Amino acid sequence: GQQLNQSPQSMFIQEGEDVSMNCTSSSIFNTWLWYKQDPGEGPVLLIALYKAGELTSNGRLTAQFGITRKDSFLNISASIPSDVGIYFCAGGPPDSNYQLIWGAGTKLIIKP
Amino acid sequence: EAQVTQNPRYLITVTGKKLTVTCSQNMNHEYMSWYRQDPGLGLRQIYYSMNVEVTDKGDVPEGYKVSRKEKRNFPLILESPSPNQTSLYFCASSSGLAGAHEQYFGPGTRLTVT
Repeated sequence: GQQLNQSPQSMFIQEGEDVSMNCTSSSIFNTWLWYKQDPGEGPVLLIALYKAGELTSNGRLTAQFGITRKDSFLNISASIPSDVGIYFCAGGPPDSNYQLIWGAGTKLIIKP
Repeated sequence: EAQVTQNPRYLITVTGKKLTVTCSQNMNHEYMSWYRQDPGLGLRQIYYSMNVEVTDKGDVPEGYKVSRKEKRNFPLILESPSPNQTSLYFCASSSGLAGAHEQYFGPGTRLTVT
């Protein structure tokens, strides 16, 4: 089946640093979404992208839908302690409006 | 408050003992889905439902059953649980207006099968 390659798997960063993560696929997607999961909770939608080339911001978060429709990235500027958690990308395939393909997640850890 | 609720939050059971995990949403969403989350594998879809009485298999449906008799409820049934079904389970719902992509997740149910 389709797979998403999400990288990096984990990141150790200093508070105040900028963060960048991405997802790539060998297949095209019609939708790219980014979710965040805090410990002990379910994922929460951060940003949804519906158009190739689209660049969308949500506060300190910025995400882009790659022009080839096979990738997406998420940037976090000036990280703060509450940014820790696992970030998931998810892609909506062209042949289904009702299923998502998920990346394995990027775990963000802030160095003390 | 708009939310997806799951019960129980934690469950330890033995192989072969039938169990049901309930899921309920109060947002009048048409679409509901069940996922399991395992380390290093992300989220994998078990079953989904586009509306009442309409369900379909996801990527890993073996060993699971679902039903959608009412719009708000979407229980997950394990008829004969096995240790490989030990996992963290999430229920999610979506209004379906933009497909099923913008999903609201429940808090999760951690299941251990011994």
